[in-house]
Amino acid sequence: DSGVTQTPKHLITATGQRVTLRCSPRSGDLSVYWYQQSLDQGLQFLIQYYNGEERAKGNILERFSAQQFPDLHSELNLSSLELGDSALYFCASSPRGHRNTEAFFGQGTRLTVV
Amino acid sequence: GQQLNQSPQSMFIQEGEDVSMNCTSSSIFNTWLWYKQDPGEGPVLLIALYKAGELTSNGRLTAQFGITRKDSFLNISASIPSDVGIYFCAGHLTQGGSEKLVFGKGMKLTVNP
Repeated sequence: DSGVTQTPKHLITATGQRVTLRCSPRSGDLSVYWYQQSLDQGLQFLIQYYNGEERAKGNILERFSAQQFPDLHSELNLSSLELGDSALYFCASSPRGHRNTEAFFGQGTRLTVV
Repeated sequence: GQQLNQSPQSMFIQEGEDVSMNCTSSSIFNTWLWYKQDPGEGPVLLIALYKAGELTSNGRLTAQFGITRKDSFLNISASIPSDVGIYFCAGHLTQGGSEKLVFGKGMKLTVNP
């Protein structure tokens, strides 16, 4: 158990809909990262938050957005869903400090768009 | 953008054999990380490398951070069936005040008992 909690574990929704994925980082971790993993693809970095502020942006679509709340949990919002958005979405967290690059991953949310 | 080239893409080995996998990049990274992902699970950190030339072991795993900071390898000795999974390398860098973790596409390991 990495200490990172993601909900829900599975989500099935229709095209055009909007969903919210939730992540609770490990206790004390200030950084949260979101990744997308499609079939046969590696992990694609979407976005990172640090202590409530956006820190880095990757290949995140404009239809997607995220935020980190004062209690440090984070949500990833996916809207106007398309079939190609079906993927595993992972959240990872890391602590602040010298070794703040050791990111620990949650078990992921499997999103299926039908 | 930064890319990590991971090779080989897959390997089939017999239980007890050693296996080696590689990761290279044209970019310089501050840190190299190796992760393992089991089916239906999130990646789990195996080894983190912070200094160029650093050699680190974790049980049967040994990893090295290349002296140029552009490559890394991971060795698994005396493989066992539970070593099956996908192994990812990841490089961390800081650019313009923002941090990036870049992942390779993974190496799928199959261990035959």
